[in-house]
Amino acid sequence: EIVMTQSPATLSVSPGERATLSCRASQSVNSNLAWYQQKPGQAPRLLIYGASTRATGIPARFSGSGSGTEFTLTISSLQSEDFAFYYCQQYNNWPSFGQGTKLEIK
Amino acid sequence: QVQLVESGGGLVKPGGSLRLSCAASGFTFSDYYMSWIRQAPGKGLEWVSYISSSGSTIYYADSVKGRFTISRDNAKNSLYLQMNSLRAEDTAVYYCARWEGGYFDLWGRGTLVTVSS
Repeated sequence: EIVMTQSPATLSVSPGERATLSCRASQSVNSNLAWYQQKPGQAPRLLIYGASTRATGIPARFSGSGSGTEFTLTISSLQSEDFAFYYCQQYNNWPSFGQGTKLEIK
Repeated sequence: QVQLVESGGGLVKPGGSLRLSCAASGFTFSDYYMSWIRQAPGKGLEWVSYISSSGSTIYYADSVKGRFTISRDNAKNSLYLQMNSLRAEDTAVYYCARWEGGYFDLWGRGTLVTVSS
């Protein structure tokens, strides 16, 4: 099983600032990495797949990068609606998710 | 519109059974692989099972293998999860999700399963 580790567990950022979330895989997953956003009481929403491709309808302020074992999700200028939980997921092998990063308002 | 709607959750005693359903609409259900994913209260996401578009290929996470059965009815645009021998650790919100090459591009709102005496 590929273990996904996200950091930090909680990230406090002010609206309008940049947020950088990290995800590390226990072994290479190539570019088979997705990011999801989840708000309380809602289902996760796909943001990024293939490590860097934005899903349909996702604003350009969301960007993904990385390959192999190290990945980053960057939100360039935080809007109020961006404060949520974020999960990474590898699909190089059977799907596994990170434990999540809570992005909160500073 | 394009959506997935789960149903069938509820309270069940340890050792009991429950059958979840997921109704798909707005897309050609029979073209897609589908999955169940769960989220324990206050916890992260765990992939549970997937089924190919025809139903001929099925896989399970080790945590549910031998106890859960995934199935689908393409004529009814529906996905199912039969859960037997339920344990307290199976308590979670269960999401139906559309599998797209390994990631999940469409999710339902989920249905809560609580296993407790």
